[in-house]
Amino acid sequence: GDSVTQMEGPVTLSEEAFLTINCTYTATGYPSLFWYVQYPGEGLQLLLKATKADDKGSNKGFEATYRKETTSFHLEKGSVQVSDSAVYFCALNAYSGAGSYQLTFGKGTKLSVIP
Amino acid sequence: EAQVTQNPRYLITVTGKKLTVTCSQNMNHEYMSWYRQDPGLGLRQIYYSMNVEVTDKGDVPEGYKVSRKEKRNFPLILESPSPNQTSLYFCASSLYQQPTGELFFGEGSRLTVL
Repeated sequence: GDSVTQMEGPVTLSEEAFLTINCTYTATGYPSLFWYVQYPGEGLQLLLKATKADDKGSNKGFEATYRKETTSFHLEKGSVQVSDSAVYFCALNAYSGAGSYQLTFGKGTKLSVIP
Repeated sequence: EAQVTQNPRYLITVTGKKLTVTCSQNMNHEYMSWYRQDPGLGLRQIYYSMNVEVTDKGDVPEGYKVSRKEKRNFPLILESPSPNQTSLYFCASSLYQQPTGELFFGEGSRLTVL
């Protein structure tokens, strides 16, 4: 079945540091890829998405590029802020047969940004 | 304001005492789903619904029931809660019957079963 693998956390960075959170996937067919963010005490919210190979999703200074050749969708930000402290989930949505789609989440990576 | 509303947000109960966690969305979404979030395990889908009166099992349905009598509501029922159901629960919805990957989540319901 489909799967999403994220780097293990927690990740701790100083403010203004560069962020990369790795995400790789296994899927048959052509999935859409997503990053969700969960701030403390809140539900998940969609951060960015990419629907086909070489697409770049971006939002709030975060970026991720859909790399079909390496089956990856790494999340990056050039300069993190304390307010970026959250748990980040990589996810894919793919056709699973019989007219159905399946959404699969990674286990999440906790990011802490210190002043 | 477009939102998914869950209640209660926090609940402590005892083994075997039936409880219901309500979920309501005001976006006229077709698809609704319940997840549980546990440390080290990420999000796991419990049940989902693609339409009124249509529900199906997710990855971890044991011990849970759901119903979808109205489009906007999708309650999660624990008939006889056990301590291994202590978790953080999220309801989510999506516009179309099939998940597109773009889910709207509620704020979560933290359940403790003693």
